[in-house]
Amino acid sequence: KNQVEQSPQSLIILEGKNCTLQCNYTVSPFSNLRWYKQDTGRGPVSLTIMTFSENTKSNGRYTATLDADTKQSSLHITASQLSDSASYICVVRGNNFNKFYFGSGTKLNVKP
Amino acid sequence: DSGVTQTPKHLITATGQRVTLRCSPRSGDLSVYWYQQSLDQGLQFLIQYYNGEERAKGNILERFSAQQFPDLHSELNLSSLELGDSALYFCASSVVGQGEAFFGQGTRLTVV
Repeated sequence: KNQVEQSPQSLIILEGKNCTLQCNYTVSPFSNLRWYKQDTGRGPVSLTIMTFSENTKSNGRYTATLDADTKQSSLHITASQLSDSASYICVVRGNNFNKFYFGSGTKLNVKP
Repeated sequence: DSGVTQTPKHLITATGQRVTLRCSPRSGDLSVYWYQQSLDQGLQFLIQYYNGEERAKGNILERFSAQQFPDLHSELNLSSLELGDSALYFCASSVVGQGEAFFGQGTRLTVV
């Protein structure tokens, strides 16, 4: 069964600190993996997208890694800001026509 | 702005009623997806359309139906509404062969 699991479910950190969110997937065959940020009550917004051959991709203070062999990805947030408080969702796209598999998200709370 | 437009933004209706949610995808996107997000829950895939045809079905109730029109906009019809149908309903669109799904801002449905 194709699945995407994220950990931790929730996380509280202090402003300025770094954190790492995890995503493990079993989707096969695999096309690409995306991390989305979803502010409360808003639509998800893409942060990074990684294909099978990419190991690391950065977008400002966000750095995503992908290990396609172990089917693991991480999202590292550097020097967190209050505005980083949101849910971060890992989405894996399978090769079967445009099918997306969503993780349940990690809820990040950055406190001053 | 993702380019995906959903209307209405908010909807309050009574149990037993029927509502229609509308989604206009990004220009050129042929695929439209509908998702349901209950309070503090992850995104649940409902249904996908591609160029007017149903492509994939998720956990969509029989009381719910959707369609995609020739101009590629899509509607999600929810009938015999129950209190548990209260949720955010998101529409996303993507281009075939591209990795990213772009999300609208959602319709918040409240059933009272």
